[in-house]
Amino acid sequence: EADIYQTPRYLVIGTGKKITLECSQTMGHDKMYWYQQDPGMELHLIHYSYGVNSTEKGDLSSESTVSRIRTEHFPLTLESARPSHTSQYLCASQPGLAATDTQYFGPGTRLTVL
Amino acid sequence: KNQVEQSPQSLIILEGKNCTLQCNYTVSPFSNLRWYKQDTGRGPVSLTIMTFSENTKSNGRYTATLDADTKQSSLHITASQLSDSASYICVVHDRGSTLGRLYFGRGTQLTVWP
Repeated sequence: EADIYQTPRYLVIGTGKKITLECSQTMGHDKMYWYQQDPGMELHLIHYSYGVNSTEKGDLSSESTVSRIRTEHFPLTLESARPSHTSQYLCASQPGLAATDTQYFGPGTRLTVL
Repeated sequence: KNQVEQSPQSLIILEGKNCTLQCNYTVSPFSNLRWYKQDTGRGPVSLTIMTFSENTKSNGRYTATLDADTKQSSLHITASQLSDSASYICVVHDRGSTLGRLYFGRGTQLTVWP
């Protein structure tokens, strides 16, 4: 079991609210990722980081932002939530840059925007 | 266009039976292929990884095969158990850029009945 944590696990909020999804890992991994996953669909990469002070946008256009001030922490923020943001958000980390390095996933945050 | 297609979309089998899940991909150039298991409400967990030169890899009752020429992979589950009920996701890593990227399939939803 990987030591990567996400909070909250479930969140129901109203439109227009600002939210932050937390992700932390205790494995000292440099690479971290945020994915969005809808039921029955593939994971889509929305943000990633190579290390402290490094953040990049992924393949899926997202209105969210991320920060990487500490190695272990990679929070994702939505400034103004909308119903279209309803989805499952998965955080992952990877020990190095090798293609064969495993990505370890957190349990996910299920977000519902009313 | 790089893609990963999985079949069947869903599968129901009885406990103790074997099953085989399929993954076809068009990702090129190819680096490696992973199979992940994702329990409901959890993040994916890596089962196997195969590089170009490997054509089979086992992890307990899970055996993955890879035919890099035809760009096909399969995941065979032997003597299924109720705990095998999950989504199984095929993920292909390309090596087209310095760090490569991952292409996710939509998964096969496996249900094991007692």
